[in-house]
Amino acid sequence: DQQVKQNSPSLSVQEGRISILNCDYTNSMFDYFLWYKKYPAEGPTFLISISSIKDKNEDGRFTVFLNKSAKHLSLHIVPSQPGDSAVYFCAATFWGGNEKLTFGTGTRLTIIP
Amino acid sequence: GAVVSQHPSWVICKSGTSVKIECRSLDFQATTMFWYRQFPKQSLMLMATSNEGSKATYEQGVEKDKFLINHASLTLSTLTVTSAHPEDSSFYICSALLAGGPGEQYFGPGTRLTVT
Repeated sequence: DQQVKQNSPSLSVQEGRISILNCDYTNSMFDYFLWYKKYPAEGPTFLISISSIKDKNEDGRFTVFLNKSAKHLSLHIVPSQPGDSAVYFCAATFWGGNEKLTFGTGTRLTIIP
Repeated sequence: GAVVSQHPSWVICKSGTSVKIECRSLDFQATTMFWYRQFPKQSLMLMATSNEGSKATYEQGVEKDKFLINHASLTLSTLTVTSAHPEDSSFYICSALLAGGPGEQYFGPGTRLTVT
C-alpha cells in the first residue's frame, strides 16, 4: 500500500526554467510534509517542509505547495540549475506518529544545460 | 550543523556472517534514530525506529532477530545484520531526529552492503 506516490519517475527540464515535482498521498492523517534531495550512494538531504496549516512555503528557489483537499503537494524549483539534478523524494508524517516518515517513490530530475 | 555519519560506507561480506553498521549524530543528540533500506530505483523503506535506552520498534515484515538494533547512547545507534544472505544486499541508511523537529530527520550517507 503506497501511501505516498510520485507518479513521475523522471523529469527533464531546461536550465533556467521551472521544475515542478508532484506528490500525492492517500492517508488523511498526514499533516506534515517534506521534500528531500538525494544523490546516488548518498543519504537524502532535507530541502523544505510544510505543515498542513499552510498551503505554501518558500525557501529561496524552492517553494512547496500543499492542496489538502486534493491530497497533493508539489515542489517548484525556480530557476532550475544543473546542480539540481538528483532524485527528489517527498515524505509525509503526522503528529503522534513517532516522527516516522513515509517516503514516495522518488522522481529523478535532470536539468539540461 | 545536524551532521550524521555512517560507518562503514560500504562492506562486502560472505553469506552467513554478521555485519555491524554504525550511525552517529556528530553535533547533536538524538533520542530517536531510524534505519531504512533502499533497493535500486526504489523508495526508502523504514525498517525500525531506534530509541535511546529502549528496544527498537520494527516495522511490519522486518525480522527483529535478523536486524539487531542497539541505541546505546544519544549519539550512536548500530544495526547488525546477522547471518547475512545475498538478499540482504542493499543500501542501508540511518537518520537522526533533531529534537523538536516534527519530522526533520537528518540522514547519514548510507552503507552499501553486498553479501556474496
